[in-house]
Amino acid sequence: QKEVEQNSGPLSVPEGAIASLNCTYSDRGSQSFFWYRQYSGKSPELIMSIYSNGDKEDGRFTAQLNKASQYVSLLIRDSQPSDSATYLCAVRVPTGGATNKLIFGTGTLLAVQP
Amino acid sequence: NAGVTQTPKFQVLKTGQSMTLQCAQDMNHNSMYWYRQDPGMGLRLIYYSASEGTTDKGEVPNGYNVSRLNKREFSLRLESAAPSQTSVYFCASRRQLTGTWGTDTQYFGPGTRLTVL
Repeated sequence: QKEVEQNSGPLSVPEGAIASLNCTYSDRGSQSFFWYRQYSGKSPELIMSIYSNGDKEDGRFTAQLNKASQYVSLLIRDSQPSDSATYLCAVRVPTGGATNKLIFGTGTLLAVQP
Repeated sequence: NAGVTQTPKFQVLKTGQSMTLQCAQDMNHNSMYWYRQDPGMGLRLIYYSASEGTTDKGEVPNGYNVSRLNKREFSLRLESAAPSQTSVYFCASRRQLTGTWGTDTQYFGPGTRLTVL
């Protein structure tokens, strides 16, 4: 079982709709969860982070975390063509040392249709 | 403030050749990371450095070596390139302040696209 799993998509939504992106993780010790957006040919950029159960909203983006179900999601309201990108879920796992590391899912490709 | 920079942007190697990928950050971050990204595999950690003078293996370290030259620079070396090392390589850095365990953002460089023939 992969440590962080995402549906690869593509997820196609019409402009103005809500896009829902999902992620599950296997390490129950994980405490920090991140959503990165990656445009084709570009590097990942952080758009949301969440550390506690529940919802966290930032503009059109809402991250949802359920640690009991080991599930993280990202909702994008009023989707725009400029939101078309690959969305990477990342989970921070402790290494037992001075730092910790991110484990990434393979990403979900979102296509917003005008 | 350039953030995280990587050189070169593109590189083509022949099997068996060696090369070093350079990474530098000007954000005074403590931790630095090297990832590779392959289609269908996502981002995988090769090596990381929690602080100047320390390095540790990630998920896929075989065939690579790293050097944390100073706080700013973290290089990745391929001693004898293989076609399986064709990939996009990203360097990242993170501040990692005391008391902020797990909450600091990782910032990524623009990537190096490497092809090994």
